[in-house]
Amino acid sequence: ELKVEQNPLFLSMQEGKNYTIYCNYSTTSDRLYWYRQDPGKSLESLFVLLSNGAVKQEGRLMASLDTKARLSTLHITAAVHDLSATYFCAVDWANAGGTSYGKLTFGQGTILTVHP
Amino acid sequence: DADVTQTPRNRITKTGKRIMLECSQTKGHDRMYWYRQDPGLGLRLIYYSFDVKDINKGEISDGYSVSRQAQAKFSLSLESAIPNQTALYFCATSDPDRGTNVLTFGAGSRLTVL
Repeated sequence: ELKVEQNPLFLSMQEGKNYTIYCNYSTTSDRLYWYRQDPGKSLESLFVLLSNGAVKQEGRLMASLDTKARLSTLHITAAVHDLSATYFCAVDWANAGGTSYGKLTFGQGTILTVHP
Repeated sequence: DADVTQTPRNRITKTGKRIMLECSQTKGHDRMYWYRQDPGLGLRLIYYSFDVKDINKGEISDGYSVSRQAQAKFSLSLESAIPNQTALYFCATSDPDRGTNVLTFGAGSRLTVL
């Protein structure tokens, strides 16, 4: 059974500070996704990481993937209030041969609040 | 118009009632999914469909059924709703031909079972 665990689950940050959200998963996969959800809204895709060592950056957010450690990180640089949201990682489950099953397993979500 | 449309957006019902949540998409994607979101548990997969004739159970399918009426339509039913099915339900689609499985989500259907 694939397990995806995020930490921390709650993150309260001051504006201007840096922090990292961690996403650990339990089985083989080289596809990892990050999504953002604003309160009361749907999920929108932030990043798709498709191979070991992949790094993607958009504004103050940078995501990376280490498939050997089964770990992805979402780094927040100089946080601003607009980044307040819930962030989810999700793993695309693949078999030993690397074939995707085409369904995502999500982490619990990290609720990020950025204070002035 | 939204790419993935869910109806109803909000529904309050009573224990034992039959409920259907509907999802339609204009993206032309073959793959469609139903997820359930509960606080602290993230999103959990209920059912997924890779085409009209291919429907699969997800992690938490007990108490739910689905129907894929057409490529664009995928409905979720609760035959006899119970209070622990109170949750936010999301429909999603994806296009594997793009080499990834990025999901496009609907706006969600909030269901309350009293």
